[in-house]
Amino acid sequence: DAGVTQSPTHLIKTRGQHVTLRCSPISGHKSVSWYQQVLGQGPQFIFQYYEKEERGRGNFPDRFSARQFPNYSSELNVNALLLGDSALYLCASSPGPTGYEQYFGPGTRLTVT
Amino acid sequence: AQSVTQLGSHVSVSEGALVLLRCNYSSSVPPYLFWYVQYPNQGLQLLLKYTSAATLVKGINGFEAEFKKSETSFHLTKPSAHMSDAAEYFCAVRVQTGANNLFFGTGTRLTVIP
Repeated sequence: DAGVTQSPTHLIKTRGQHVTLRCSPISGHKSVSWYQQVLGQGPQFIFQYYEKEERGRGNFPDRFSARQFPNYSSELNVNALLLGDSALYLCASSPGPTGYEQYFGPGTRLTVT
Repeated sequence: AQSVTQLGSHVSVSEGALVLLRCNYSSSVPPYLFWYVQYPNQGLQLLLKYTSAATLVKGINGFEAEFKKSETSFHLTKPSAHMSDAAEYFCAVRVQTGANNLFFGTGTRLTVIP
């Protein structure tokens, strides 16, 4: 079975631009969570979605938004990019709403110049 | 609030030596605890998890961890290091009810010396 997939693998954006990152969960998983991992640090929670509803939000500004589609895939959107948004963005899926056991994708490396 | 502290951002061991990576947690309610491994340019892979059953948890690749409530610790060990164990290791905690997200430590980079 395929694991969590994310696209694109890498991208480079300029300050002030907008970016959309995509995630497809493991087949049968209905929950998707997004994490930001800045170089040299552990991942930080951004959002969790279950059945297309937001279930949790971390301490991130409103420039960050996400949504989940009927097929349980998800998008993370970041507006007005800042240099500090440069990071590895990880998507994790889990079978149910509790996010009890989360399976991570390979991540999208975002560089903001 | 819940958090984890990983003592030692870098650990070096010789091939065949014991691996010990330290993690202490803080949680006002019973926690679930996890260890993840991250290889260069990859995502996170779950090594093992504690879910309030057995306090000694065995994971993949020969790793294990022991939950010690009195010490609020969940240290990761492996009896004999392999070169392939070189990676970044993250300890994470989440509460058993309420918020579903994981709180990660800052990570420990393990180097294995041949």
